[in-house]
Amino acid sequence: IQLTQSPSSLSASVGDRVTITCRASQGISSYLAWYQQKPGKAPKLLIYAASTLQSGVPSRFSGSGSGTDFTLTISSLQPEDFATYYCQQLNSYPITFGPGTKVDIK
Amino acid sequence: EVQLVESGGGLVQPGGSLRLSCAASGFTFSSYEMNWVRQAPGKGLEWVSYISSSGSTIYYADSVKGRFTISRDNAKNSLYLQMNSLRAKDTAVYYCARKNWGLAYYYFDYWGQGTLVTVSS
Repeated sequence: IQLTQSPSSLSASVGDRVTITCRASQGISSYLAWYQQKPGKAPKLLIYAASTLQSGVPSRFSGSGSGTDFTLTISSLQPEDFATYYCQQLNSYPITFGPGTKVDIK
Repeated sequence: EVQLVESGGGLVQPGGSLRLSCAASGFTFSSYEMNWVRQAPGKGLEWVSYISSSGSTIYYADSVKGRFTISRDNAKNSLYLQMNSLRAKDTAVYYCARKNWGLAYYYFDYWGQGTLVTVSS
């Protein structure tokens, strides 16, 4: 199952609303997770089951979608949110990741 | 506190071998499925291999099938990745990651800090 993400990169300002989309090549129900990765660090789980916020993750992060189309939204971008975001499908092996979306400062 | 600590990375020549380890603590290791994920320099995440909690079920990415072997020792709370016939394209940071589930859906909730494998002559 292939995952595509758009955009591949974006520039945004603190306080902006940011939306990243992930599309699967076939239906994956809600077996989708989102991760945040900062340079030199391991990925951090943000959302699983497409829309369930992982414990400890700020509520400005939200996810939606099912089937083939998914969205990660950051309602008000904070300085610590500048990072690369990956979607991941866990519907079946081989597990796959999207190519990533880099969010940097405008 | 859940911790995953990888070790065993380093510089190896093409065609060589390396064994990575992941030491787990802070949870009942034998109850969790585990995975290896890698990231080539400046690139995205690539899933490498999976092992069930008992070790009875194993999957590999096509890119490493026949060359890599995943295993675990639940008595030692450790996960391993034996890498043979290494190629330059295997150069990456290798992460171990715990697979968890909630609401009947899966996710990787804990990751190690990663260990760098460099394949070069």
